[in-house]
Amino acid sequence: GAGVSQSPSNKVTEKGKDVELRCDPISGHTALYWYRQRLGQGLEFLIYFQGNSAPDKSGLPSDRFSAERTGESVSTLTIQRTQQEDSAVYLCASSYFGTSTDTQYFGPGTRLTVL
Amino acid sequence: GDSVTQMEGPVTLSEEAFLTINCTYTATGYPSLFWYVQYPGEGLQLLLKATKADDKGSNKGFEATYRKETTSFHLEKGSVQVSDSAVYFCALSAGGTSYGKLTFGQGTILTVHP
Repeated sequence: GAGVSQSPSNKVTEKGKDVELRCDPISGHTALYWYRQRLGQGLEFLIYFQGNSAPDKSGLPSDRFSAERTGESVSTLTIQRTQQEDSAVYLCASSYFGTSTDTQYFGPGTRLTVL
Repeated sequence: GDSVTQMEGPVTLSEEAFLTINCTYTATGYPSLFWYVQYPGEGLQLLLKATKADDKGSNKGFEATYRKETTSFHLEKGSVQVSDSAVYFCALSAGGTSYGKLTFGQGTILTVHP
């Protein structure tokens, strides 16, 4: 079946602009996660959705970052007034239940470059 | 807080060599442990996992055993192939109020030469 998809695959923007990143999880997966991977570093957790609510936003680095999920499906991560330090690969993952034993399935990522 | 420490890379091996990538963790409670792999040009995918102490995860000839007493989850393979060249990430999921979110190590780059 279809995996997790993300769009765009690449995004180049100028400092100060807003960007929106999209994630389509695997159908039927209730849990959705956003992670960030900076060059040469591991993945950092950003936010977790269970259904359409976000019980854990603890990883969002600043109030310029926000995310929503609708229809228990698509999620959008928005970064306002982008800064150069926001340059990274943004990864989305989904899983059936969002428990600690679940396998998370990752999308291909969106590579964001802020000039 | 929760953390994962992986051996630093890059690791370069000849084909058929034995591989070990060390991973240790710090977590409250009893986390689940994972190895994810990222092949060149591909997305992150699960390699294996173990959800309780003394469990052994295995896949594609790779193995890792959940050692609670040493808080470790070392990845091993007896005979590596060129196709195993990739970046390997150790991760944990603590559960509870962590809701299954993954805490990752820094990743280890493995290059296997013919």
